[in-house]
Amino acid sequence: DIVMTQGVLPNPVPSGESASITCRSSKSLVYKDGKTYLNWFLQRPGQSPQLLTYWMSTRASGVSDRFSGSGSGTYFTLKISRVRAEDAGVYYCQQVREYPRTFGSGTKLEIK
Amino acid sequence: EVQLVESGGGLVQPGRSLKLSCLASGFTFSNYGMNWIRQAPGKGLEWVASISSSSSYIYYADTVKGRFTISRDNAKNTLYLQMTSLRSEDTALYYCARHDVGSYGFDYWGQGVMVTVSS
Repeated sequence: DIVMTQGVLPNPVPSGESASITCRSSKSLVYKDGKTYLNWFLQRPGQSPQLLTYWMSTRASGVSDRFSGSGSGTYFTLKISRVRAEDAGVYYCQQVREYPRTFGSGTKLEIK
Repeated sequence: EVQLVESGGGLVQPGRSLKLSCLASGFTFSNYGMNWIRQAPGKGLEWVASISSSSSYIYYADTVKGRFTISRDNAKNTLYLQMTSLRSEDTALYYCARHDVGSYGFDYWGQGVMVTVSS
């Protein structure tokens, strides 16, 4: 199984600053089509997860351009620019390169 | 508007069975793969199972393989999760989610349904 390992944020992050969340996979998530099968989600307190990006860097419909995904085949970063109170919650990365699908353990973002 | 509404959760004794449903609306259900994901209280997300649009491909997490069965009825726009031999560690909020064709982005999620396994 592909293991997803997420980093920890130095919380809280001051409002208006940037935050970068890291995620590492135990195997390359690049498929033979050249795309990287990595999703990012935000789960706000008491809510269902919300898809932020797919294919590592493509923003989902309606997602602010303050969110940007980047990375290589095994190391990924979700950058949040000019953080706001509404960005608080737990961020998860997920690989959809192969089954079983696996999530990272989550990274909590608190806003000051 | 895309909506996914789970139902069928509750309190069940260890070893017993339970069947969850997820009613979909606002999109052509038969065109999309679907998933179950769970979240134990205070814990992270765990993928449980996936089913392709025509039920041709089905996958399970090792933790539920042989005990849970994912299925769908495209005529009823409904996804199911039959859970048997339930254990205390199956206690969780169960979400259904749609995945986008091609990208496998889990783009729409239900609100979740709670399953508690306890004597």
